[in-house]
Amino acid sequence: DAGVIQSPRHEVTEMGQEVTLRCKPISGHNSLFWYRQTMMRGLELLIYFNNNVPIDDSGMPEDRFSAKMPNASFSTLKIQPSEPRDSAVYFCASRWGTENTEAFFGQGTRLTVV
Amino acid sequence: KQEVTQIPAALSVPEGENLVLNCSFTDSAIYNLQWFRQDPGKGLTSLLLIQSSQREQTSGRLNASLDKSSGRSTLYIAASQPGDSATYLCAAGSGNTPLVFGKGTRLSVIA
Repeated sequence: DAGVIQSPRHEVTEMGQEVTLRCKPISGHNSLFWYRQTMMRGLELLIYFNNNVPIDDSGMPEDRFSAKMPNASFSTLKIQPSEPRDSAVYFCASRWGTENTEAFFGQGTRLTVV
Repeated sequence: KQEVTQIPAALSVPEGENLVLNCSFTDSAIYNLQWFRQDPGKGLTSLLLIQSSQREQTSGRLNASLDKSSGRSTLYIAASQPGDSATYLCAAGSGNTPLVFGKGTRLSVIA
């Protein structure tokens, strides 16, 4: 398996534009997580899905953020409109089952909003 | 709410030294503890996963231990090499909930 695949790897956009980040989890994994990493706050959970269903989105900072998982092999994180403070590295991770299994991370998307 | 702390934030050692990275967590009711490595500009690579019923896990020069009662885990790196330079993160897993991460320890191994 190629691991968790995220696209794009880098995104530079202007304030106010819509940004869509994409994630393909490892085949067979049924839990998917979106994290955001910044120097100040480290890794923060934004939202996670079990069996394509959003379980907890309390980490989503505001209504400008939304995430979907239309099927077991694809998820998106959308920011509309984007702001400079959204600049960070966004990671997607997946694992099989709901507990006691290893989580695997993608390479991340580095987002810069200017 | 689980909180994970890693001290020190940064560590510099000469090549060949054995070293220990520390991780503490506030809620001892964890299911597992996972250690990751992150190279600059890269994603997280899983190093070791310790189940709550285990005391330690080993992989090559790495050994991770877990003491739930005291809320601590350590990552021991033997005979450190410049290639070990990276940020090491620990994360606590509690059942059907996502991992909670520490902020990491940035390790530099000097040749």
